[in-house]
Amino acid sequence: GQQLNQSPQSMFIQEGEDVSMNCTSSSIFNTWLWYKQDPGEGPVLLIALYKAGELTSNGRLTAQFGITRKDSFLNISASIPSDVGIYFCAGQTNNDMRFGAGTRLTVKP
Amino acid sequence: DGGITQSPKYLFRKEGQNVTLSCEQNLNHDAMYWYRQDPGQGLRLIYYSQIVNDFQKGDIAEGYSVSREKKESFPLTVTSAQKNPTAFYLCASSGTGTSYEQYFGPGTRLTVT
Repeated sequence: GQQLNQSPQSMFIQEGEDVSMNCTSSSIFNTWLWYKQDPGEGPVLLIALYKAGELTSNGRLTAQFGITRKDSFLNISASIPSDVGIYFCAGQTNNDMRFGAGTRLTVKP
Repeated sequence: DGGITQSPKYLFRKEGQNVTLSCEQNLNHDAMYWYRQDPGQGLRLIYYSQIVNDFQKGDIAEGYSVSREKKESFPLTVTSAQKNPTAFYLCASSGTGTSYEQYFGPGTRLTVT
């Protein structure tokens, strides 16, 4: 099945900078999810979005469910070294969940 | 603690051998999933099950088999027919319906030589 288009593929930023990444699709979704994966571990759910236009925060993380239901973005403010990892988006509709290829974030102290 | 467990964390097998990966959840979720993750790539769905004694093929089911005899358990067997079995395998579970979240286990890294 068609995976989501996630960008950028990787980011190298300085500690304290803000980060933005996004996912787009040709299909609409009921739910958008953002996960973080550390090396050798399973993805951990960061934010779940259930309604078009919804803007949700979790600490320094903010995510939005696009109004067209075909896209979502994740912002991380004031990055810290422990933000390093791979961030995945996922779109879910009924029995189908699709994932982006991930954004690899590197934070330089 | 509620969650999903996968065992073992690392598994090594010789080519031609079948191997079974364990996945257990105590979240009372109806649905369970198996994904494969290769370096630098996203998650690809192998099999999923929405209810006990029923399961469906995902995008890359060839060379794999599953069973769902209990709600809590969804073991995955990587058979000798799988051409390139070395990968990181992730199990997940969720509720069912029009809108739900999937929760993942810690993963099993399988190396076949």
